[in-house]
Amino acid sequence: QVQLLESGGGVVQPGRSLRLSCAASGFTFRNYAMHWFRQPPGKGLEWVALISYDGNNQYYGDSVKGRFTISRDSSNNTLSLQMNSLRADDTAIYYCARARGVTRAHSDYWGHGTLVTVSP
Amino acid sequence: QSALTQPPSASGSPGHSVTISCTGTSSDVGHYIYVSWYQQHPGQAPRLMIYEFNKRPSGVPARFSGSKSGNTASLTVSGLQTEDEADYYCSSYAGNNTLVFGGGTKLTVL
Repeated sequence: QVQLLESGGGVVQPGRSLRLSCAASGFTFRNYAMHWFRQPPGKGLEWVALISYDGNNQYYGDSVKGRFTISRDSSNNTLSLQMNSLRADDTAIYYCARARGVTRAHSDYWGHGTLVTVSP
Repeated sequence: QSALTQPPSASGSPGHSVTISCTGTSSDVGHYIYVSWYQQHPGQAPRLMIYEFNKRPSGVPARFSGSKSGNTASLTVSGLQTEDEADYYCSSYAGNNTLVFGGGTKLTVL
């Protein structure tokens, strides 16, 4: 069965960096584009980034553009999110998800998330 | 990437129907069929309920349906059950490989 398992969350000071990982299993990872989403505690969902199936194309939400980098290692079935210059408003649960559809606009499988807290 | 507009709350009695709206613009909901709906129970990951505005993934009950008119998409839950009580989020493709979400609607089954 499809499984996505995020890791790497924790408490980090403003301005510092953190790298999240998402281990994928149960499907042919190299065939699918992947998303990162996030959800601040008690608030709504926000799209963060998308990477194409082959890793050649990356797209970002306005709030993280220039600070976050999405990447993938299909030899290890792993998706990553490098987060630099972290701010308090980056505090959220971060989810990885498998992208589907021609425009990769919907996600049929999600991980359970990893919490990132940006605090002095 | 402006957020889509959803009502903060909705409610209905068991067995009845409820419709949740999701209003965007001519650059997202009004321009594309790629509207999705997600259900999220407390402490859980989102679950895909509707994609491409009216398609249901396998395993989603038929009492969940989606529609779209102009800049507004809607999710209708018929024959409400207690387990339908959750937060519901709409999202839309917004062009240039970007997505936008609504703020979420808390559905209460009275």
